[in-house]
Amino acid sequence: DTEVTQTPKHLVMGMTNKKSLKCEQHMGHRAMYWYKQKAKKPPELMFVYSYEKLSINESVPSRFSPECPNSSLLNLHLHALQPEDSALYLCASSQDSRPGWTEAFFGQGTRLTVV
Amino acid sequence: TQLLEQSPQFLSIQEGENLTVYCNSSSVFSSLQWYRQEPGEGPVLLVTVVTGGEVKKLKRLTFQFGDARKDSSLHITAAQPGDTGLYLCAGANFNKFYFGSGTKLNVKP
Repeated sequence: DTEVTQTPKHLVMGMTNKKSLKCEQHMGHRAMYWYKQKAKKPPELMFVYSYEKLSINESVPSRFSPECPNSSLLNLHLHALQPEDSALYLCASSQDSRPGWTEAFFGQGTRLTVV
Repeated sequence: TQLLEQSPQFLSIQEGENLTVYCNSSSVFSSLQWYRQEPGEGPVLLVTVVTGGEVKKLKRLTFQFGDARKDSSLHITAAQPGDTGLYLCAGANFNKFYFGSGTKLNVKP
C-alpha cells in the first residue's frame, strides 16, 4: 500500500475564513511534506516534517501553519489567505529523513480556491 | 533556483512513435525519481534510480541515471494515448525533493 490520502479534494474559502487541509498515510513513513503547485508549474516545497518535527520551512508566509499531530497525520491550517494562494496543495511522505536515497509518494491533492 | 531542467517542455507525437525526455542538473543527487501527473491529480511515482549509470525498464518506459548522478533520461517506446500527461523528474538530497520544470506529453491516436 503506497497510499497518501488528502481531504478535502476541493475547497473554496473566503479571505477571512479559517480552514484546514488534512493528509494521512499508513506506510510507516517518518517524513511528510506539503507542496504547492500552480497551474502548469512543477510542485514547490513548502514544509518538511521529520519524525513529527518541523525540519524545513521554505520561507512560507505565516498564514500557512503546518501541524503534525502524530506520525501518520499532517495538517495545513489556513488563515487570511489571498486569491494568489489558490493552487493544488499536495501532501507527500517518504520512508525516513536520513541522508541517502529515498522516494516520495504523493496524495491526490486538494484544489484550493480563495475568493 | 531551478536545479533541474527538463527538455523538451512540450511534446506532441502520434501513437506508435518513440520519444526521449531529458532531465539535467549541475547538482549531484543521491537519487532521482520520475513521476507522471494527470491534471488536477497528484504525481504518481514511476521509478527511482540510485546508482550512477543505472538503467531501469518499466514495460515500454526506460529510465537512465547519468554516470555522475546529475542527469537522467526517460525513453518511451511506441507511445500510446494513455501515456499522455505531465512527466516530472525530481532529485532527492537530504529529504528535499527538487522538481524539474516538467515535460507535457500529448500522444495523439
